[in-house]
Amino acid sequence: AQKVTQAQTEISVVEKEDVTLDCVYETRDTTYYLFWYKQPPSGELVFLIRRNSFDEQNEISGRYSWNFQKSTSSFNFTITASQVVDSAVYFCALRRNTGTASKLTFGTGTRLQVTL
Amino acid sequence: GAGVSQTPSNKVTEKGKYVELRCDPISGHTALYWYRQSLGQGPEFLIYFQGTGAADDSGLPNDRFFAVRPEGSVSTLKIQRTERGDSAVYLCASSAGTSWSTGQFFGPGTRLTVL
Repeated sequence: AQKVTQAQTEISVVEKEDVTLDCVYETRDTTYYLFWYKQPPSGELVFLIRRNSFDEQNEISGRYSWNFQKSTSSFNFTITASQVVDSAVYFCALRRNTGTASKLTFGTGTRLQVTL
Repeated sequence: GAGVSQTPSNKVTEKGKYVELRCDPISGHTALYWYRQSLGQGPEFLIYFQGTGAADDSGLPNDRFFAVRPEGSVSTLKIQRTERGDSAVYLCASSAGTSWSTGQFFGPGTRLTVL
């Protein structure tokens, strides 16, 4: 069975602070894929990043960075110099690497509130 | 439009009624997924189609739920004898295939309320 845990239910920060959203996953598969999605108040899920389990290189995209550590089954997401527009619910998700199973297993999400 | 579209955006129905929710995927995307998101939770998988066939329907909660994709494009999620517990946002997503290299792109969802 696959499971994704986002232990932080809600985080509040002041604009320009850095913030890290934690994600821990469980899977018996040796190869798999990890994702982060953003769900702003409008409700639509926005794809942010995917990572395959072969690649443990950290990735940076503008103010966003991701730290994948297979040894601890974690895929954490950091926003540097947060902005009010970053306020949203963020979901981490896991997907098996098989020929047919491509569903996403989501965590329960972390609500990020960025205030002025 | 270029994105996934879903209709209606909101649906209010009475317990015991039948409802249909429609999803129009991104043009050319062969894979289509349905998820259900309850308040304060992450999306939960229901079913996905590769082309016209349901490749995995393991997430459908019971036989009141059914989905079709007859021409490999638009899909309809059908719920019979609705119950109050069916109230949720129903999300549709599509992707270019089942390869890992493609992400799933989500629509805005249909908010279903069963009174």
